[in-house]
Amino acid sequence: AQSVTQPDIHITVSEGASLELRCNYSYGATPYLFWYVQSPGQGLQLLLKYFSGDTLVQGIKGFEAEFKRSQSSFNLRKPSVHWSDAAEYFCAVGVSGGYNKLIFGAGTRLAVHP
Amino acid sequence: SQTIHQWPATLVQPVGSPLSLECTVEGTSNPNLYWYRQAAGRGLQLLFYSVGIGQISSEVPQNLSASRPQDRQFILSSKKLLLSDSGFYLCAWSGDMNTEAFFGQGTRLTVV
Repeated sequence: AQSVTQPDIHITVSEGASLELRCNYSYGATPYLFWYVQSPGQGLQLLLKYFSGDTLVQGIKGFEAEFKRSQSSFNLRKPSVHWSDAAEYFCAVGVSGGYNKLIFGAGTRLAVHP
Repeated sequence: SQTIHQWPATLVQPVGSPLSLECTVEGTSNPNLYWYRQAAGRGLQLLFYSVGIGQISSEVPQNLSASRPQDRQFILSSKKLLLSDSGFYLCAWSGDMNTEAFFGQGTRLTVV
């Protein structure tokens, strides 16, 4: 069955520090992978997506993610975190087969210290 | 451009009361529509999806139902709410297969 694992429930970093949020997926076919960000009480905003091609994808707000097929991973990175990056981050895999369905991980809540 | 509207933003309902949450999409036709529920620490759980008018598929058996009376309208309902129905409900739409989903702002439902 398809699944997404985000091993870190909470992460705290200092402003200006680098960030890496982990994501592992389980899916038998070529995955379509996404990272979304959610501010408190809000909907989800797409940060970036991977469908094919270059395994390092760039997103909005200075984020990037790297697809590693051998590790079934799609980790999100940012070289220098800003206080406004504090939010919850969700990794998702797109399941195809006549319709488009997203399977989400449990999320990682990011806190940023000044 | 496409937009998605979801309302109400917050709702407090007594146990046993009915529920109706509405979601509409503008600026696109024949979207795929979804209802997700978000529980703390458990990510987003897909409840229902629809690929067309009157076509509803349920992912998880539960106390809720969904309907799609018009192409860009998706409704989440319950005849009698349970305490366990409390949560944050998100409506989303997507276009062709394998494109990203776009989310509404969500409804915080508290059943008391």
